[in-house]
Amino acid sequence: EAGVAQSPRYKIIEKRQSVAFWCNPISGHATLYWYQQILGQGPKLLIQFQNNGVVDDSQLPKDRFSAERLKGVDSTLKIQPAKLEDSAVYLCASSLEGLAGEDTQYFGPGTRLTVL
Amino acid sequence: AQKITQTQPGMFVQEKEAVTLDCTYDTSDPSYGLFWYKQPSSGEMIFLIYQGSYDQQNATEGRYSLNFQKARKSANLVISASQLGDSAMYFCAMRDLDSNYQLIWGAGTKLIIKP
Repeated sequence: EAGVAQSPRYKIIEKRQSVAFWCNPISGHATLYWYQQILGQGPKLLIQFQNNGVVDDSQLPKDRFSAERLKGVDSTLKIQPAKLEDSAVYLCASSLEGLAGEDTQYFGPGTRLTVL
Repeated sequence: AQKITQTQPGMFVQEKEAVTLDCTYDTSDPSYGLFWYKQPSSGEMIFLIYQGSYDQQNATEGRYSLNFQKARKSANLVISASQLGDSAMYFCAMRDLDSNYQLIWGAGTKLIIKP
């Protein structure tokens, strides 16, 4: 079974530029998550989708970050304009339901973003 | 209040020895789930093991086992016969009703296996 796919794996941009990340979840998984992980910290949830609807985006900096999940499958996360503090690893995860109980999140390889 | 505590920022362990990574949690919800993930230097977050609050037995997955002590609110990860490839960051995480079933993460423990 194919895992969560993400691209690109690495991205270097200058501040004030824009960048987009792509994620393809495990087939059949209804829930998709985007996390930001600053070096040395645990992941921070940015947004959670259930199919193509947003469940939680309370920690998404909406003045510069946006995300969409078209047709309830693939998702893109965009940053525009980027700031130095956006340098981090962006992780995409998916799970079967997103509900209580043993609903395990499986992660992609991540995108390492460096903002200069 | 901090919900997941990992008190060991870093650990060095000799290859082939067993290692225990500590995790304590805090919740008032009787129904919750505990997870352990491994993150190598490549960055991918790899799911290792899950323990449900109502599970009677400690979870095991190959060389990984979870020492679940509900009364003490601890969920320590035990890795038997450690290997060089076990060197990584290890994160404990929990989901419960208070967190709206989203994962709450610990700060992680950096494990280094010495040859």
